[in-house]
Amino acid sequence: ELKVEQNPLFLSMQEGKNYTIYCNYSTTSDRLYWYRQDPGKSLESLFVLLSNGAVKQEGRLMASLDTKARLSTLHITAAVHDLSATYFCAVGRDLIFGKGTKLSVKP
Amino acid sequence: EPEVTQTPSHQVTQMGQEVILRCVPISNHLYFYWYRQILGQKVEFLVSFYNNEISEKSEIFDDQFSVERPDGSNFTLKIRSTKLEDSAMYFCASKILDGRNIQYFGAGTRLSVL
Repeated sequence: ELKVEQNPLFLSMQEGKNYTIYCNYSTTSDRLYWYRQDPGKSLESLFVLLSNGAVKQEGRLMASLDTKARLSTLHITAAVHDLSATYFCAVGRDLIFGKGTKLSVKP
Repeated sequence: EPEVTQTPSHQVTQMGQEVILRCVPISNHLYFYWYRQILGQKVEFLVSFYNNEISEKSEIFDDQFSVERPDGSNFTLKIRSTKLEDSAMYFCASKILDGRNIQYFGAGTRLSVL
């Protein structure tokens, strides 16, 4: 059974600083997804990582995938308030989600 | 931009009643999904549907649940006899089969079972 673990589950960030969220998964997969969810809203696709060593960047967010280590990271550069949300990684064809990381950016 | 549409946005029902949650996937998408998210918890896969049949289902998707594509546009989730623990946000998603396989999510239906 595929398990997906994220850490940390909560992250209080200071504006301007850098942070990393980790996503580990238990069985082989060649694709991993990152989604963002604002409170009370749906899930917005951020990144699709399709191969070992894949790196994608959008604004202050950068995601990478190491399929050998079964690990993806989501790196936040110089956090700003509008990044406050819950971020989920998901693995597999039917999307098995991690528990999510709730980010809060404080001035 | 095309989007997945879900109705209603909020459904309140009494325990033991049947509910039908409706979804209109993006028009050229071929794969359809239902997920649920209990308040404050992670998103959980329920079922996937392709070519008019269920492809995969999770252990949550028991005999109380069923899905249907009654016409060319709608995709429904039926809960036959709701329980208190069915209270959750239910998300529909769809995707087209391409290299990226991104699932696009609807805004969700909040189901409250009293």
